[in-house]
Amino acid sequence: AQSVTQPDIHITVSEGASLELRCNYSYGATPYLFWYVQSPGQGLQLLLKYFSGDTLVQGIKGFEAEFKRSQSSFNLRKPSVHWSDAAEYFCAVGGKEYGNKLVFGAGTILRVKS
Amino acid sequence: ETGVTQTPRHLVMGMTNKKSLKCEQHLGHNAMYWYKQSAKKPLELMFVYNFKEQTENNSVPSRFSPECPNSSHLFLHLHTLQPEDSALYLCASSQFRTSGSQNEQFFGPGTRLTVL
Repeated sequence: AQSVTQPDIHITVSEGASLELRCNYSYGATPYLFWYVQSPGQGLQLLLKYFSGDTLVQGIKGFEAEFKRSQSSFNLRKPSVHWSDAAEYFCAVGGKEYGNKLVFGAGTILRVKS
Repeated sequence: ETGVTQTPRHLVMGMTNKKSLKCEQHLGHNAMYWYKQSAKKPLELMFVYNFKEQTENNSVPSRFSPECPNSSHLFLHLHTLQPEDSALYLCASSQFRTSGSQNEQFFGPGTRLTVL
């Protein structure tokens, strides 16, 4: 069965600093991978996705993520964090064998200090 | 309206009440989902509808009753809920392909439910 681990419950970074949020997944075949962001009181917004091809994917708001099959990871990065990036971030995994279901990680809350 | 909308945004109900949550997607998708988001817990998939047919019921108690009259609308009927059912209920939609390829899900803003 699929599973997703986001090891960090909270992360605090200074504005302008770089960011990396970790995501590890468990899935036997080629996964479909997603990062979503949720601001307080809002739904989830898709940041980026990986289905196949180039393992470094670019998303919205200056985010990127790299798929590393050998490490079963799909970490999210941003070179310079803005105060408006403070939110909760969710990694999710799907796969062809699971139809259109996604499994989500528990989320990482990002705090940005000025 | 664009994207996925949900009404009401906030709902307070007693344990003996009956209420319904509504979701509408304006994206032309053919799959819709209900999720439950509780504090300090991962997002829980509740129900999946593909082409208006329910394809997933993730062991959800019968006090939650979904309805999907067409591909654009999804309801969650609530009755005799418990305080532990208080949560953010999120609706999502996607374009489902029988070939097995997967598309991203688009989420609504959610309904914050409080059960007294």
